[in-house]
Amino acid sequence: EADIYQTPRYLVIGTGKKITLECSQTMGHDKMYWYQQDPGMELHLIHYSYGVNSTEKGDLSSESTVSRIRTEHFPLTLESARPSHTSQYLCASSEGGPGVSAFFGQGTRLTVV
Amino acid sequence: GDSVTQMEGPVTLSEEAFLTINCTYTATGYPSLFWYVQYPGEGLQLLLKATKADDKGSNKGFEATYRKETTSFHLEKGSVQVSDSAVYFCALSYTSGTYKYIFGTGTRLKVLA
Repeated sequence: EADIYQTPRYLVIGTGKKITLECSQTMGHDKMYWYQQDPGMELHLIHYSYGVNSTEKGDLSSESTVSRIRTEHFPLTLESARPSHTSQYLCASSEGGPGVSAFFGQGTRLTVV
Repeated sequence: GDSVTQMEGPVTLSEEAFLTINCTYTATGYPSLFWYVQYPGEGLQLLLKATKADDKGSNKGFEATYRKETTSFHLEKGSVQVSDSAVYFCALSYTSGTYKYIFGTGTRLKVLA
């Protein structure tokens, strides 16, 4: 059983609000990732981190920001939510290396009204 | 660039039917290959993986063989069950350097009793 947790599971929030999606893992993995999943199911990498104080933007441009102050914690923040941010957000972690799989959290479904 | 291409869904089958979901990839070097499954409202779970050419990954009756000559990693199951209804993602990652995971667009499977 993978130990990676996302909170909240569901969030409905008004336009213009600041939100933080939490992601924590207890496996000591260096690599962590945020994916945005659109209604058509496709996964888009929006942020990743290879370790503490290391963050990079992913393949899909996103207005969100991330931080990695502790190995186990990789929160995602939206300073001013908009309806276009409505989506499912999935956090993942991995220890990296050949053939190593990523472990996923259960996701946060965000709705901005 | 590197990519994963999956057959479009949805795929609808009767219980006990044979399943094939096609997956091909484009990559430089020798990636590791994965199949993940996503049940409604959940994150992704690793189903199986293969790390080198001719490797066969298997789990819960599902199988996939890493075919370097055809750059393919097709998912198969001999007899599907209603409980197999989910979205299936093919993915690749690299054995060194960048540790990103590249996912296909997902294939929705619906199994009818």
